[in-house]
Amino acid sequence: ELKVEQNPLFLSMQEGKNYTIYCNYSTTSDRLYWYRQDPGKSLESLFVLLSNGAVKQEGRLMASLDTKARLSTLHITAAVHDLSATYFCAVDTRNNDMRFGAGTRLTVKP
Amino acid sequence: DGGITQSPKYLFRKEGQNVTLSCEQNLNHDAMYWYRQDPGQGLRLIYYSQIVNDFQKGDIAEGYSVSREKKESFPLTVTSAQKNPTAFYLCASSPNRESEAFFGQGTRLTVV
Repeated sequence: ELKVEQNPLFLSMQEGKNYTIYCNYSTTSDRLYWYRQDPGKSLESLFVLLSNGAVKQEGRLMASLDTKARLSTLHITAAVHDLSATYFCAVDTRNNDMRFGAGTRLTVKP
Repeated sequence: DGGITQSPKYLFRKEGQNVTLSCEQNLNHDAMYWYRQDPGQGLRLIYYSQIVNDFQKGDIAEGYSVSREKKESFPLTVTSAQKNPTAFYLCASSPNRESEAFFGQGTRLTVV
């Protein structure tokens, strides 16, 4: 059974600081996704990583995928308050059954 | 406008009742998913469907049922066998594994 683990689960950081969220998964996959969820809202897609070594960047967020280590990272650069949200990684096995990590609740403080 | 629509937004159910949550998409996506989210938790996969007239159980399918008679529709029935159905339910669709999934706005189900 595929397991997807994120850490940390809670992250409080100050504006302007950098930090990394980690996503480990337990079985072979070459499809990994990052989503953002604001409180009480649905999910919004951030990144789709489709191969080993894939790196994507959008604004202050950068995601990478290492399929050999079964690890993806979401790096936050110079955090701002607007980035406060819950971030989920999701892994798609070859059965097209996307499974999510528990989420990282990020709070960016002034 | 293309998108994925869930209804209702809020739903109240009496114990022992079955209720059906609607999910419709006009994106022409093949794959559709149902997830359950409990407060402060991640998303758990209930059912998924890769094609019309075919669907597979996810990790927490007990007490739920689905159908996929049309490409654009994937309704979820929460049966009386689901002992703790109060949760936020999210439906998603995806064209293929190379693309992200698109989520509906969710249905918040409460047992009263």
